[in-house]
Amino acid sequence: KQEVTQIPAALSVPEGENLVLNCSFTDSAIYNLQWFRQDPGKGLTSLLLIQSSQREQTSGRLNASLDKSSGRSTLYIAASQPGDSATYLCAVRAEGGKLIFGQGTELSVKP
Amino acid sequence: GAGVSQSPSNKVTEKGKDVELRCDPISGHTALYWYRQSLGQGLEFLIYFQGNSAPDKSGLPSDRFSAERTGGSVSTLTIQRTQQEDSAVYLCASGASQTGVGYTFGSGTRLTVV
Repeated sequence: KQEVTQIPAALSVPEGENLVLNCSFTDSAIYNLQWFRQDPGKGLTSLLLIQSSQREQTSGRLNASLDKSSGRSTLYIAASQPGDSATYLCAVRAEGGKLIFGQGTELSVKP
Repeated sequence: GAGVSQSPSNKVTEKGKDVELRCDPISGHTALYWYRQSLGQGLEFLIYFQGNSAPDKSGLPSDRFSAERTGGSVSTLTIQRTQQEDSAVYLCASGASQTGVGYTFGSGTRLTVV
């Protein structure tokens, strides 16, 4: 059974700091991995999608890596800003298309 | 439309009443999910539709919950005899069969049972 774990559960950093969010999954048989952002009381916004054959994807200050064999993904945020404060969720797409989520990392960037 | 549309955005209902939540997925997306998120909690999987296959209903919390997807497009999540513990944000997501396309979420329906 696929399980997705995110560490840490919460993170507070000062503005301008670079940071890394971690996601691990137990079954390496995935089609892709997707990072989402969720603001309080809102839906989910897709940030980055990494195919199982890819090692990383970049969008602006965000970089996501994938090591499928070890069951790990990281989301790197450069030069963090208060507007980055949100909950970050990773999800893997398993066989059959099912999307399995981690519990999320709640990020707070202090001005 | 360009995104996943959910309606209503907010619903307040009295305990014991039935409610229907609607999801309009992105046109052409064969996969559709319903999730529930209670206050301060993670995403709880409810049900998954993929094309013409039988839906995966393994996440529905009780027989008061049901969902259907008509014509492979619009989906309705129905909660009968609502209880206060049903209060949550109900999120819908759709995706294409091709694994190269990620999932897109709607903004959710906030259900409050009073």
